[in-house]
Amino acid sequence: DTAVSQTPKYLVTQMGNDKSIKCEQNLGHDTMYWYKQDSKKFLKIMFSYNNKELIINETVPNRFSPKSPDKAHLNLHINSLELGDSAVYFCASSQGDGDEKLFFGSGTQLSVL
Amino acid sequence: GENVEQHPSTLSVQEGDSAVIKCTYSDSASNYFPWYKQELGKRPQLIIDIRSNVGEKKDQRIAVTLNKTAKHFSLHITETQPEDSAVYFCAPGAAGNKLTFGGGTRVLVKP
Repeated sequence: DTAVSQTPKYLVTQMGNDKSIKCEQNLGHDTMYWYKQDSKKFLKIMFSYNNKELIINETVPNRFSPKSPDKAHLNLHINSLELGDSAVYFCASSQGDGDEKLFFGSGTQLSVL
Repeated sequence: GENVEQHPSTLSVQEGDSAVIKCTYSDSASNYFPWYKQELGKRPQLIIDIRSNVGEKKDQRIAVTLNKTAKHFSLHITETQPEDSAVYFCAPGAAGNKLTFGGGTRVLVKP
């Protein structure tokens, strides 16, 4: 049973398109995250939700909109995709409440052409 | 915000030798110090972590040491094996707060 699962694994699309990435965790964790990993492997936090509430929103273009329908799901919608959005996007979860151990999904490789 | 630096950025060792990666952070409020390992094409995974009330923690061939006064902590891998080849990230943070990832250290273990 995969603890944190995200789909799709690969996403190839044209500039200007809108796309979504879905994430689900079955660990019963309260906190979920989106991270972006660029080609140089830098891992940067984008958003964090605790029990469906947005708690971290880093300096991310507002073309990126996270949505958490419940505490087990955190989706990422990206409007008007640009070349610079090409990266690997990782979803992650943690128990929260002082337990910061992160459990990552397998990543979504986004390529914008 | 937290400023995190990892050194070295790449490390090549002979199988069986030891490897040490150092992580320096700026926020004195940080009290949680994990290390993540990311194999090629895979997700980052926690391999060891330490809290500020402990100076050292060991788990088989890996250990983490913390110097809170100097604001740095290190990952030690002994008797390296080819499967230790990966990118390693430190990610210090404070309880209830976000973790800030270092830039990563690419470790290559040569057989």
